[in-house]
Amino acid sequence: QKEVEQNSGPLSVPEGAIASLNCTYSDRVSQSFFWYRQYSGKSPELIMSIYSNGDKEDGRFTAQLNKASQYVSLLIRDSQPSDSATYLCAVNRYGQNFVFGPGTRLSVLP
Amino acid sequence: DAMVIQNPRYQVTQFGKPVTLSCSQTLNHNVMYWYQQKSSQAPKLLFHYYDKDFNNEADTPDNFQSRRPNTSFCFLDIRSPGLGDAAMYLCATSPTGGSAYEQYFGPGTRLTVT
Repeated sequence: QKEVEQNSGPLSVPEGAIASLNCTYSDRVSQSFFWYRQYSGKSPELIMSIYSNGDKEDGRFTAQLNKASQYVSLLIRDSQPSDSATYLCAVNRYGQNFVFGPGTRLSVLP
Repeated sequence: DAMVIQNPRYQVTQFGKPVTLSCSQTLNHNVMYWYQQKSSQAPKLLFHYYDKDFNNEADTPDNFQSRRPNTSFCFLDIRSPGLGDAAMYLCATSPTGGSAYEQYFGPGTRLTVT
């Protein structure tokens, strides 16, 4: 089992819809969770970080964490074509380095 | 603006010819990372510095070396690049190692090996 897994994608949603990106992780003592957006040919850009169970909202983005289920998700409301990118989930625990998932490619169709 | 800078943005080198990639930061973060990312893959950590303490990942080839002469600068040296080393090389920083600190990436250097 891979340490961090994500939807294989590509995920296609129409403009204005909610995009839901999922990530599961295997290390039960993981403490910190991050979502990065990466446009083609560019470097990853941090969108959200979440450390506690529940929801965290920032503009159109909501991160959801459920440590019991070892699951973290990212919801993008009112999706725009400019949201089309690969979304990387990263997980770590104290004293350890990030473990990245393979990424989910999102395509928002006008 | 505080940032992570990588130079050059694009680098072409010949097979076996040493190459150095550079990273600088104005964030005053004490941890700096080097990642390799190949097409459609997740970033792969090569090594990181916690201040001057160097930490090498177990599967990082000996062909890859790094130097951090001061807080602001970090270099990636590839001693004898092979065709398989063509990739995007990403530098990242964080204010400290550990769980609660986010990593911030530079724009990357795309390396081509001919």
